[in-house]
Amino acid sequence: QVQLVESGGGEVQPGRSLRLSCAASGFTFSNFGMHWVRQAPGKGLEWVAVIWYDASNQHYADSVKGRFTISRDNSRNTLHLQMNSLRAEDTAVYYCARRSGIVIDMWGQGTMVTVSS
Amino acid sequence: DIQMTQSPPSVSASIGDRVTITCRASQGIGDRLAWYQQKSGKAPVLIYVASSLQSGVPSRFSGSGSGTDFTLTISSLQPEDFATYYCQQSESFPQTFGQGTKVEIK
Repeated sequence: QVQLVESGGGEVQPGRSLRLSCAASGFTFSNFGMHWVRQAPGKGLEWVAVIWYDASNQHYADSVKGRFTISRDNSRNTLHLQMNSLRAEDTAVYYCARRSGIVIDMWGQGTMVTVSS
Repeated sequence: DIQMTQSPPSVSASIGDRVTITCRASQGIGDRLAWYQQKSGKAPVLIYVASSLQSGVPSRFSGSGSGTDFTLTISSLQPEDFATYYCQQSESFPQTFGQGTKVEIK
């Protein structure tokens, strides 16, 4: 069926790195732009990054610009988020999500990232 | 960046009540607005795009607005509607969300 499955979350110390992955299935991954959206515990949704269907363009939230990199491998139907120089305020559930037109029409179940010493 | 301001932050309502949530953009965004519903511990679900109800979403949900002011209305609140609702603009990056409106049981 159509789904997005995130992986790679966990607990990491401040200043360290983590790489999230999102496996897509059930649809033609290479036809869709993809987002990462995060949600800190008990807080609202925060848009993080987007990548075009062909990886020709990316945009980032100011809070992660220069530290996070979104990428994709269309041959493996996989989306990534490389997170460097992690901070306590990056602690959140990270969702990958499909871009359809102007909206997000599909979300993964999320993966938790905890940044703590 | 475009700021999205939702009100109220929370609303306490009874089954059958009419509930209206508003979302205001800090600058005009045309009709480039979506509404999402998020239940506790779950991923958000798209329910409305501009003036269009998404497939499978009950018709008691309706959305309106353009420019800077938007509303999401639930005409007769049902038990499954208790959740947090977010608006999101897609006029420009970063594609900001409102802070959410939690619809609670009275």
